[in-house]
Amino acid sequence: GAGVSQTPSNKVTEKGKYVELRCDPISGHTALYWYRQSLGQGPEFLIYFQGTGAADDSGLPNDRFFAVRPEGSVSTLKIQRTERGDSAMYLCASSRPGGELFFGEGSRLTVL
Amino acid sequence: AQKITQTQPGMFVQEKEAVTLDCTYDTSDPSYGLFWYKQPSSGEMIFLIYQGSYDQQNATEGRYSLNFQKARKSANLVISASQLGDSAMYFCAMREGQRGGADGLTFGKGTHLIIQP
Repeated sequence: GAGVSQTPSNKVTEKGKYVELRCDPISGHTALYWYRQSLGQGPEFLIYFQGTGAADDSGLPNDRFFAVRPEGSVSTLKIQRTERGDSAMYLCASSRPGGELFFGEGSRLTVL
Repeated sequence: AQKITQTQPGMFVQEKEAVTLDCTYDTSDPSYGLFWYKQPSSGEMIFLIYQGSYDQQNATEGRYSLNFQKARKSANLVISASQLGDSAMYFCAMREGQRGGADGLTFGKGTHLIIQP
């Protein structure tokens, strides 16, 4: 597609459940980023991929969060044993190396 | 210390007036880039304008310009002739290191701009 695509756009789950959020970047963009945005805040960096490998995962809050990008294109953010505090908008962005980040419309996660 | 500071949580501006959104940054890296993004209620982050630390001139993109004052570590966004469609959240962001570097962006907390008819 022309832009970054994220699915699902909305996800409601119960505390303790497992969640996967998917990001399909712009074709040809080797860099992929995940951000988390809480209400009234700016996006917070979670993890960055260059190709298939995670170049920087320093923003992942704890070991319940994990992300993969097995073929260097689509990425999945995985959250285990979800907690209410995980509720946020999860934004994915892609770019050419050093270029502007293009963001998707986000996946809004609500943990009840 | 916060790397990006946006001191205006919200602003109300009359349509057709010019708007200045404040942004100050903190870095010891001599090479960095400054970005402004717009986030309408739909949630998508829309890139507006970029300024590199070594750029000699202030960046401009249509109605958007960046008032870059390096000594003051300030990168204010100026929107000329504001329109109702400019109502949105605006985020200032910084990437440290050379533009070809791998780092992601650090964002400020944003300014909620509301344009009134």
